Amino acid sequence: SQQGEEDPQALSIQEGENATMNCSYKTSINNLQWYRQNSGRGLVHLILIRSNEREKHSGRLRVTLDTSKKSSSLLITASRAADTASYFCATAMTNAGGTSYGKLTFGQGTILTVHP
Amino acid sequence: GAGVSQTPSNKVTEKGKYVELRCDPISGHTALYWYRQSLGQGPEFLIYFQGTGAADDSGLPNDRFFAVRPEGSVSTLKIQRTERGDSAVYLCASSSTSGSQQYFGPGTRLTVT
Repeated sequence: SQQGEEDPQALSIQEGENATMNCSYKTSINNLQWYRQNSGRGLVHLILIRSNEREKHSGRLRVTLDTSKKSSSLLITASRAADTASYFCATAMTNAGGTSYGKLTFGQGTILTVHP
Repeated sequence: GAGVSQTPSNKVTEKGKYVELRCDPISGHTALYWYRQSLGQGPEFLIYFQGTGAADDSGLPNDRFFAVRPEGSVSTLKIQRTERGDSAVYLCASSSTSGSQQYFGPGTRLTVT
């Protein structure tokens, strides 16, 4: 079963605007990751944020994590038509040894459409 | 270097048939994962291998599903007596160690008619 829920389910914006997607999860985590998927096939890893981090940046991407609210957000600034894709958050729990457990639990995704 | 590859890219089979889906991970990656993605949903975990052994198979939906990784590299997901509900994209991923970043293959789209 899916752990996370993403919001909104679909987002449509114009090129140059910012896009914000949210993810909520249910259990304690080791880290949270965001992935992009084009055309329903392979997933591309975007960014990983650990449970002791609150914010992380990578190029035009900004991810925040609030473990008290069990939620994360992904912000894409100055969006481009090429950013059109589905975006998923995925969580990894901590194993008995204190490191990240391999299995990822994905949310249902946000479909982002960026109009030129 | 080469990424994760999966074959076939598409598979159409009749209800009740047996299918095998293959995954070639990135060379040297010890951890390998299988996920299943239905239309409009996020991927759902099926099983993951650390080396040759299944470290966690809690996501396999029933005993019609089985996966092997006999030499710690290539893995095969096997589905017996396929049902229409098995139709989905089956994704494979590998990582250098368990818990590190996963690299996904392009998936195999399975259609059961």
